[in-house]
Amino acid sequence: KAGVTQTPRYLIKTRGQQVTLSCSPISGHRSVSWYQQTPGQGLQFLFEYFSETQRNKGNFPGRFSGRQFSNSRSEMNVSTLELGDSALYLCASSMGGNTEAFFGQGTRLTVV
Amino acid sequence: AQSVTQPDIHITVSEGASLELRCNYSYGATPYLFWYVQSPGQGLQLLLKYFSGDTLVQGIKGFEAEFKRSQSSFNLRKPSVHWSDAAEYFCAVGAGSGGGADGLTFGKGTHLIIQP
Repeated sequence: KAGVTQTPRYLIKTRGQQVTLSCSPISGHRSVSWYQQTPGQGLQFLFEYFSETQRNKGNFPGRFSGRQFSNSRSEMNVSTLELGDSALYLCASSMGGNTEAFFGQGTRLTVV
Repeated sequence: AQSVTQPDIHITVSEGASLELRCNYSYGATPYLFWYVQSPGQGLQLLLKYFSGDTLVQGIKGFEAEFKRSQSSFNLRKPSVHWSDAAEYFCAVGAGSGGGADGLTFGKGTHLIIQP
C-alpha cells in the first residue's frame, strides 16, 4: 500500500511570494496533520484536518492555512513568505482517533 | 499544555553496545507516547507507541520503550546497536481533539552517533 506522498519535494521561493504544498494520505486515512521542522524550533504542529474539517491548530500566524478535500488529500498554503518560513514541512496521515500517524518524506521549502 | 523533554542532544555509542535514549513528558491526562526515527533528509518513521496496557512496548528494529507514569518518562532502549541505527530520534506525546496521534508535541530530538 502506498505511503504518504508529499509534493513537491523541494521548493525555492522568494520572500513575499506564496506557496502551496500538497499531501496525499495513505488510502483510507481521513486525518491529515502538518508539521514544520526547523533546526531552531524543532518539529512544531501546524494543523490537523479530519473529513475536510480543521479540528486542531498549532500556534502559527494566519499566513499559514490549509484545507482538505473530499478524497482526504490536503494542501497547505503559506502566504507572504518570510525567510524564517524556510523549513522541512511534514505531512502525516492516520485513521484518526487513537491510531498512529505515518509521515511523508516532507517538502523542503527555501525562502530567499 | 503538554511538553516533551529529551535531555540528551547528542549520544555516541559503540556498535554492539546497549542504548538508552531518555524522554520525559508533561501531559494532563493519560498520554499517548511515541518514538520516531528520522534519517537525514527523510520523513519520520514510527518505532513504537504506547496507548495503554503493558508499560513495556516492543517496536521495530529491535527497539523497546518503557512507560513509567511515576517518573513521567518513556525511555527508548536497544540491547545492541548497529551502525544503521545512526539517526535522529524523536519522542512525542499525543494531543488534539481526536486523541491519539492527531496532533503531536515533539521533543527536540537526540542525535545518535554510532562509533565503529
